[in-house]
Amino acid sequence: AQTVTQSQPEMSVQEAETVTLSCTYDTSESDYYLFWYKQPPSRQMILVIRQEAYKQQNATENRFSVNFQKAAKSFSLKISDSQLGDAAMYFCACDPIQGAQKLVFGQGTRLTINP
Amino acid sequence: DSGVTQTPKHLITATGQRVTLRCSPRSGDLSVYWYQQSLDQGLQFLIQYYNGEERAKGNILERFSAQQFPDLHSELNLSSLELGDSALYFCASSVDMGGSTDTQYFGPGTRLTVL
Repeated sequence: AQTVTQSQPEMSVQEAETVTLSCTYDTSESDYYLFWYKQPPSRQMILVIRQEAYKQQNATENRFSVNFQKAAKSFSLKISDSQLGDAAMYFCACDPIQGAQKLVFGQGTRLTINP
Repeated sequence: DSGVTQTPKHLITATGQRVTLRCSPRSGDLSVYWYQQSLDQGLQFLIQYYNGEERAKGNILERFSAQQFPDLHSELNLSSLELGDSALYFCASSVDMGGSTDTQYFGPGTRLTVL
């Protein structure tokens, strides 16, 4: 069984600053993918970034990057130059490569951007 | 816009009733997933269909069922509704070329309220 833990229920950051959201996971699978999804007030689930566990290089998407520590089973999300539109719930999720492809989500971190 | 559509957007019904939620995946996507998001349980995987066949089952109640039709759209049927079934129900889709994990793209969700 897989578990995903987000230990920060809420975070806040000043506009234009950098913030890091934490995520740890536990899985018995050797190959898996990790994702960060964003859920703004509209409730739409939006993909932010994905990381293949077999890749050592950390994924980046514009202002979003991850710090993937496979041995520690840690997958944090860094948001640089925070913008008001980044305010949302952020969910970390794990998905095994083999077997049934389903996402296991963490409980989420609510990010507030202070102007 | 993810390309995944869900109808209806909102649904209000009474306990004991039955409802059907509909999902159309992105063009070309063969897999459809259903998730339930509630305040106490978070985001939970319910069921996955691939090209018309059930592929994986999560925490789906026996009162709930789903199917995927030849045109690849999917329906989630919820019966004998209880107050606790009130939640946001998401459909997601992925290409799923077999053997590898594809990113799941989420629809806007259906908000179900059971009174």
